[in-house]
Amino acid sequence: KQEVTQIPAALSVPEGENLVLNCSFTDSAIYNLQWFRQDPGKGLTSLLLIQSSQREQTSGRLNASLDKSSGRSTLYIAASQPGDSATYLCAVRPRIQGAQKLVFGQGTRLTINP
Amino acid sequence: EAGVTQFPSHSVIEKGQTVTLRCDPISGHDNLYWYRRVMGKEIKFLLHFVKESKQDESGMPNNRFLAERTGGTYSTLKVQPAELEDSGVYFCASSPLAGSGETQYFGPGTRLLVL
Repeated sequence: KQEVTQIPAALSVPEGENLVLNCSFTDSAIYNLQWFRQDPGKGLTSLLLIQSSQREQTSGRLNASLDKSSGRSTLYIAASQPGDSATYLCAVRPRIQGAQKLVFGQGTRLTINP
Repeated sequence: EAGVTQFPSHSVIEKGQTVTLRCDPISGHDNLYWYRRVMGKEIKFLLHFVKESKQDESGMPNNRFLAERTGGTYSTLKVQPAELEDSGVYFCASSPLAGSGETQYFGPGTRLLVL
């Protein structure tokens, strides 16, 4: 059974710092891994999707890496801003025939202090 | 283009009552998914429709939950009778009918509180 863990559960840093969020998963048989952002009371916004054959994806100040063999992904945020404050969720799509479900971690609640 | 919409945004009901949640996917998306997040836990998959057919309902917790997608457009999720442990946020997501690389687009969720 696939399990996804995110560490830390919460993180508070001053504005301008670079930071790394961690995600680990127990089964390397995945199609892809996604990082989402959730603002309070809102839905999930997809930030980056990494296919199982890829090592990393970049979008603006965000960079996500994937090491499938070790079951790890990191989300790197450069030059953090108060607007980056949100909960960040990692999800994998297990490689199960006929299934398209996502398995989520519990998230990391990020606070950027001005 | 409108995103995934869900109705209602909030619902407060008493134990034993019935509640029906609605999801309107992005136009043209044949895949529709239901997930939920109960207090203190991670978001968990409930089921997946392809058009009007249930492709995977392995996450449905019990037979008090009934999901439908008549006509392959919007979907409803009915909880009958509701129990206290059903409280949480119910998310709907949709994606195009394609291969393994598609992003799922999530709605804002319905916050359900069972008293």
